[in-house]
Amino acid sequence: EPEVTQTPSHQVTQMGQEVILRCVPISNHLYFYWYRQILGQKVEFLVSFYNNEISEKSEIFDDQFSVERPDGSNFTLKIRSTKLEDSAMYFCASSDGVYNEQFFGPGTRLTVL
Amino acid sequence: AQTVTQSQPEMSVQEAETVTLSCTYDTSENNYYLFWYKQPPSRQMILVIRQEAYKQQNATENRFSVNFQKAAKSFSLKISDSQLGDTAMYFCAFMIYNQGGKLIFGQGTELSVKP
Repeated sequence: EPEVTQTPSHQVTQMGQEVILRCVPISNHLYFYWYRQILGQKVEFLVSFYNNEISEKSEIFDDQFSVERPDGSNFTLKIRSTKLEDSAMYFCASSDGVYNEQFFGPGTRLTVL
Repeated sequence: AQTVTQSQPEMSVQEAETVTLSCTYDTSENNYYLFWYKQPPSRQMILVIRQEAYKQQNATENRFSVNFQKAAKSFSLKISDSQLGDTAMYFCAFMIYNQGGKLIFGQGTELSVKP
């Protein structure tokens, strides 16, 4: 059964460093998403992406964040200068229709020291 | 504000019994979709059930069914004949029409099914 994959499973970085979180969505899906979950808090929407453009973004998704689909299979989230409060689990998801089921990856745990 | 509230942080149920997880939400929009997602320990989040807000009929999916009360903005999940594999964190979520597929999640309810 096709699934969404994410790498790495755990990333540790120093405050101020750039990180890139990688996702491989399900191959025939056209809609891509990033969510995050700070420990003990709700899963929060960051951004949705369709047709090589951002469709919707939250207030969290400021100028420090960017997304890209560099090669038709990967979908990446870049944080330019990490802060301590960026420490969270980051989930990628994909769907074949904007109102359809979103399939989630296993998450990348980001720890900013 | 668009919010989802799950008032039960933890619940437990005996195997083969029925349990209901509660969820309320707040939105001024009229067109939206509602979801229950399940996250088993150390595994990916998967969809349990989906409901379109314009449909009055409650969605069912095998042992899982919802009680959707649009006026009360309530969307509870009933699990019948609970199985050990139902042990997981359950998230209620909704998606407003025309907002790019953004899912708004509740805090989750951790369900333990006991043998």
